[in-house]
Amino acid sequence: EAQVTQNPRYLITVTGKKLTVTCSQNMNHEYMSWYRQDPGLGLRQIYYSMNVEVTDKGDVPEGYKVSRKEKRNFPLILESPSPNQTSLYFCASSLERGTDTQYFGPGTRLTVL
Amino acid sequence: GEDVEQSLFLSVREGDSSVINCTYTDSSSTYLYWYKQEPGAGLQLLTYIFSNMDMKQDQRLTVLLNKKDKHLSLRIADTQTGDSAIYFCAESTPRRGYSTLTFGKGTMLLVSP
Repeated sequence: EAQVTQNPRYLITVTGKKLTVTCSQNMNHEYMSWYRQDPGLGLRQIYYSMNVEVTDKGDVPEGYKVSRKEKRNFPLILESPSPNQTSLYFCASSLERGTDTQYFGPGTRLTVL
Repeated sequence: GEDVEQSLFLSVREGDSSVINCTYTDSSSTYLYWYKQEPGAGLQLLTYIFSNMDMKQDQRLTVLLNKKDKHLSLRIADTQTGDSAIYFCAESTPRRGYSTLTFGKGTMLLVSP
């Protein structure tokens, strides 16, 4: 089944404790992206990747890192999480440049205390 | 810069038609999308329209695009309680040599029996 998976689905952590949210797709998609969703703000893009070893900042990249060492995986790294990073995070992928259909993962709800 | 605006809430009765409106500002948008998010779930692509089209119909869904006014609408015929969800409008625009999605804040559709 074609899908985007994220882990963990739920995470509660404390300020400053490094964490990684994994994202994996099995569709051989080139383009992957991370969004955060906050009440009243909709979805905002954090980072995106056009292919292996090619990443770029989205609209709200501060406090986040990403890597794209393999085509299928695009982890989101929070080196020192802060409470303002409490949010719902979505990973998405598409075959080529964002004009193609983007497939979204189920989301990761992160709470930073 | 890009900006996508939607009304926040719409309430209809089962069997009525629903119309969700969206305005955008970037005239270089190539595709415009409608996504549906059910509670606790990720985003599901409902339909999209290319910027040189005026209308697209897909079963109960009709998308109208007024490019001059930068106005997009989604009409759901014979709305059902299962259509209750948050609906996001999104535009795809070329940026830094790649296309990316900009989302509105979402319209919550509540369908009452």
